[in-house]
Amino acid sequence: EVQLVESGGGLVQPGRSLKLSCAASGFTFSDYAMAWVRQAPKKGLEWVATIIYDGSSTYYRDSVKGRFTISRDNAKSTLYLQMDSLRSEDTATYYCARTAGTGPDYWGQGVMVTVSS
Amino acid sequence: DIQMTQSPSFLSASVGDRVTINCKASQNINRYLNWYQQKLGEAPKLLIYNANSLQTGIPSRFSGSGSGTDFTLTISSLQPEDVATYFCLQHNSWPYTFGAGTKLELK
Repeated sequence: EVQLVESGGGLVQPGRSLKLSCAASGFTFSDYAMAWVRQAPKKGLEWVATIIYDGSSTYYRDSVKGRFTISRDNAKSTLYLQMDSLRSEDTATYYCARTAGTGPDYWGQGVMVTVSS
Repeated sequence: DIQMTQSPSFLSASVGDRVTINCKASQNINRYLNWYQQKLGEAPKLLIYNANSLQTGIPSRFSGSGSGTDFTLTISSLQPEDVATYFCLQHNSWPYTFGAGTKLELK
């Protein structure tokens, strides 16, 4: 059974950093691209970042470029999102998602990040 | 960015009803459109990929259609367990973008 479990969320002050993790199991992690998607309170979903299967290429939405870094450790079957210079508008539930050629197929349950002083 | 306009935003229907939800893309996305179901407190679940392909394990009452800019998710006979929020996603071009969601409730 495919499982994606996010962790590392919480309350953080504006301008500070936070690192999210997503532990994957039930599939060969190194075969898949992975992504982070977020949903702000009472707002729609936003694609944040993607990393291909071997980590050699990454993609970011414009609003997080230069502040967020997506990475992966295939030996540990874990996806990461390093979030620096956090802003109030980054407040959201963050989901990790496995991404196949047909788009994202499995998602985690999400982790909440609140940016507030 | 490609804009995805989803309608309706809210839907109330009875058990056994045929339900349709629509997504319109601001430009041609071929068939690169997925539909997801999200129940309260749960992870989103993939229902339909590439416009009309049923994900493994999803009941056959769910179906998808469309290509280009106009897409539809149909539930042929609504069941109580279908109460959820449904959303579409285009994965034709970066950044992938989502519809705003349709909250489906039982009448």
